[in-house]
Amino acid sequence: EAEVAQSPRYKITEKSQAVAFWCDPISGHATLYWYRQILGQGPELLVQFQDESVVDDSQLPKDRFSAERLKGVDSTLKIQPAELGDSAMYLCASSTHRGFPYEQYFGPGTRLTVT
Amino acid sequence: AQTVTQSQPEMSVQEAETVTLSCTYDTSESDYYLFWYKQPPSRQMILVIRQEAYKQQNATENRFSVNFQKAAKSFSLKISDSQLGDAAMYFCAYRSPYTGTASKLTFGTGTRLQVML
Repeated sequence: EAEVAQSPRYKITEKSQAVAFWCDPISGHATLYWYRQILGQGPELLVQFQDESVVDDSQLPKDRFSAERLKGVDSTLKIQPAELGDSAMYLCASSTHRGFPYEQYFGPGTRLTVT
Repeated sequence: AQTVTQSQPEMSVQEAETVTLSCTYDTSESDYYLFWYKQPPSRQMILVIRQEAYKQQNATENRFSVNFQKAAKSFSLKISDSQLGDAAMYFCAYRSPYTGTASKLTFGTGTRLQVML
């Protein structure tokens, strides 16, 4: 069964360093989401792609976060510089236009710890 | 904006017993989708069950069923014959019926379910 892949699974970085996460969605899924899940809370959307275009990045802290999906397939989320408050689980999800109702499939997440 | 509230941070159930997890939401939309997701420790989030708001019939998936009360904006999950593998965080989520920018999921804060032997 096809799955969303994410790497790394765990990342420890120091404050002010740069960090990057990678996501490979299920093949053929045009929509890709990055969510941030702070401990004890539900996931919140950071950015949504439709193919290679950003359709929602209203909650992305653009002064330090960036996201790209250059060929409309895999995606990278970057944080520079990292801050202590960025410690969280970063989840990637993908969905297709086909099928009802556009169910989102989640990857295993990247757990980021900023020290 | 839509909000989702899960008022039970933790619940426990005896193996083989039944447990109900609560969820309420707030929206001005008349059509939408509601979901329950399960997040086991160190594993990815998976869809447990979904409900279309225009359907009056409550969704069921094997041992999982929902009680959808549209007027009360309530969407509870019932797990029957609980198994050890049901232990996880459970998230209630809301989604607008549209594509594009409105297709994101809005999640509650989750309920941690423990299953006791």
